[in-house]
Amino acid sequence: ETGVTQSPTHLIKTRGQQVTLRCSSQSGHNTVSWYQQALGQGPQFIFQYYREEENGRGNFPPRFSGLQFPNYSSELNVNALELDDSALYLCASSPVSTGGSTDTQYFGPGTRLTVL
Amino acid sequence: GENVEQHPSTLSVQEGDSAVIKCTYSDSASNYFPWYKQELGKGPQLIIDIRSNVGEKKDQRIAVTLNKTAKHFSLHITETQPEDSAVYFCAASTSYGKLTFGQGTILTVHP
Repeated sequence: ETGVTQSPTHLIKTRGQQVTLRCSSQSGHNTVSWYQQALGQGPQFIFQYYREEENGRGNFPPRFSGLQFPNYSSELNVNALELDDSALYLCASSPVSTGGSTDTQYFGPGTRLTVL
Repeated sequence: GENVEQHPSTLSVQEGDSAVIKCTYSDSASNYFPWYKQELGKGPQLIIDIRSNVGEKKDQRIAVTLNKTAKHFSLHITETQPEDSAVYFCAASTSYGKLTFGQGTILTVHP
C-alpha cells in the first residue's frame, strides 16, 4: 500500500509569484486535507477536499486555493506569495468517509516552500 | 474556535524512564484526539489516537488517557528509547477532519 506522497520536496519562490503543490492520497482514501507548518509550530489547517469539493476551511485568505481530482489527488495553489508563506506544507489523506465525521489522517512528507 | 495547549515544550529523560506529555482543549464538542510523532525533515506520523467514548487506550509502550470533564488528554511513553526522540504533537477535532494542533513537545531520550 502506497502512503501519501507530495511533490516537489523543496521549492524556492520570490514574493508575488504563484506556486502549485501536489499531493497523492493513500490508496483507498477519498479525503485530502492541507496544513501549513511554520518552523517550530504545530500544523495549521488550511482546507479539506472531499468528492472534489472544499469541505471546510481554516483561517487562510482566498489566495490559498485547492483542487481535488477524480483519482482523489489534490493540488494546493498559493497566489501572490508573501514572505510569511515560507513553511512546510503538509497533505493528509483519510479513508472513505461520509465527509461529516473525523477520520484518521495520514500525513505525507511535506513540501518545504521558501519565499524570498 | 478550538484551542489546544500542550506542555511541556521540551522534555528530557534518560533511556528507560517514562515520559508524559499533556494537552488541554477548549471546545467541549471535540471528539477525536490523535497524537503524532514528527522526526526532522519528515511529516507527522500517527502513533495513537483516542475518541471521546473511550477513557484510555494503550499500544505497547504508548498509552493515551482522556478526561472529558476536565478537557485534557495525555500521552504516556514507558521504557523510553533513544529512537523515541522527536517532536510530539497532540491534536483535537470536532468534525469533518479539521485537526487543531498543540505547539509540540521536543522529547530527547538520553542513552
